[in-house]
Amino acid sequence: AQKVTQAQTEISVVEKEDVTLDCVYETRDTTYYLFWYKQPPSGELVFLIRRNSFDEQNEISGRYSWNFQKSTSSFNFTITASQVVDSAVYFCALSGHTSGTYKYIFGTGTRLKVLA
Amino acid sequence: DVKVTQSSRYLVKRTGEKVFLECVQDMDHENMFWYRQDPGLGLRLIYFSYDVKMKEKGDIPEGYSVSREKKERFSLILESASTNQTSMYLCASSSGYRGRTYEQYFGPGTRLTVT
Repeated sequence: AQKVTQAQTEISVVEKEDVTLDCVYETRDTTYYLFWYKQPPSGELVFLIRRNSFDEQNEISGRYSWNFQKSTSSFNFTITASQVVDSAVYFCALSGHTSGTYKYIFGTGTRLKVLA
Repeated sequence: DVKVTQSSRYLVKRTGEKVFLECVQDMDHENMFWYRQDPGLGLRLIYFSYDVKMKEKGDIPEGYSVSREKKERFSLILESASTNQTSMYLCASSSGYRGRTYEQYFGPGTRLTVT
């Protein structure tokens, strides 16, 4: 079975603090993809990053960075020097192939509040 | 830029009515999806389609049907709306073959209220 767990339901930080959003996944597939999405208060989900299972290199994009560790089945997302505009719900997702069909599983999301 | 549009942002329907939610994407994506989003439950997949006229059930297909007559359009149908179908409905599309799907691009959502 495939599963994505985002144990942090809600996190509040003060602007300029660093914050890490955790994502733990379960899959038996050898080839799979991991994703992060952002859903700001306006409501529209926006794709942030995709990682495939063969690429464990960490990724950095501006203030955003992602740490993929197969050994712990985790794909964590860090925002450095957070800003109020980072306030949103963040979803981690997994795409894999199981039982003959492809499945796309979302975590339940982490609500991040960045306070001025 | 990929664009996914949904026919309505807000919709109010009565119990028992037939409801059509339309979704159109302009990036020639093979895969299209319908989700509902409820507080505390995240995104739950209703149906997806990996090709024209092809569909597969997601996690919660009961009470819904879909139609994909053209590649760019994916419709969600509530045959007889019920109050427990009050929710935010999100459409998405992605590239990929036979359901293998890469990143999804989402529409703005339709908030449906059934009274």
